[in-house]
Amino acid sequence: DVKVTQSSRYLVKRTGEKVFLECVQDMDHENMFWYRQDPGLGLRLIYFSYDVKMKEKGDIPEGYSVSREKKERFSLILESASTNQTSMYLCASADRRNTEAFFGQGTRLTVV
Amino acid sequence: AQRVTQPEKLLSVFKGAPVELKCNYSYSGSPELFWYVQYSRQRLQLLLRHISRESIKGFTADLNKGETSFHLKKPFAQEEDSAMYYCALSGNNNDMRFGAGTRLTVKP
Repeated sequence: DVKVTQSSRYLVKRTGEKVFLECVQDMDHENMFWYRQDPGLGLRLIYFSYDVKMKEKGDIPEGYSVSREKKERFSLILESASTNQTSMYLCASADRRNTEAFFGQGTRLTVV
Repeated sequence: AQRVTQPEKLLSVFKGAPVELKCNYSYSGSPELFWYVQYSRQRLQLLLRHISRESIKGFTADLNKGETSFHLKKPFAQEEDSAMYYCALSGNNNDMRFGAGTRLTVKP
């Protein structure tokens, strides 16, 4: 059974905190993605990575950074959390051709 | 820049009626198009991809390059089809972008 696992299901952080969201996949996938999911806006791509140590900005990278030190792990970092970053965050992985993306269960982040 | 547009946020049909979820895209190359579905309290999952030209759960989608569309269709909707549907596009640089989604409700 393929698995994409996000480290937290729910998270509450204070404004200004540095926040780490972790994602691990066990399918040896080359591509990994971070999205935020908001009602009416769908999934918006924050960052993606096609290889270890490689990263590309998506459509809304401001306020975020990522790290991919190992193939199976892709971390999203909120450098200084703000209330407008309250959202559902989804991680996904796929093979090199994006044949099929597999999603994690999501992390609902609330910044207060 | 590539973009995926789903013009309908909400769509409601009666059981047994045909359903069509619209998707338009803009991309300067040859994209790969997908439909993903999220049922209540479940993870987002692949429904179908244009390159496979297959029918999944009675759904089909045809890529129309002239109209840059990839509409999802089913001739007879079922209550279990109620879900959130996302159209997605994968480009040449390994990225994958999604539309805003359409919430389909199938009424009994």
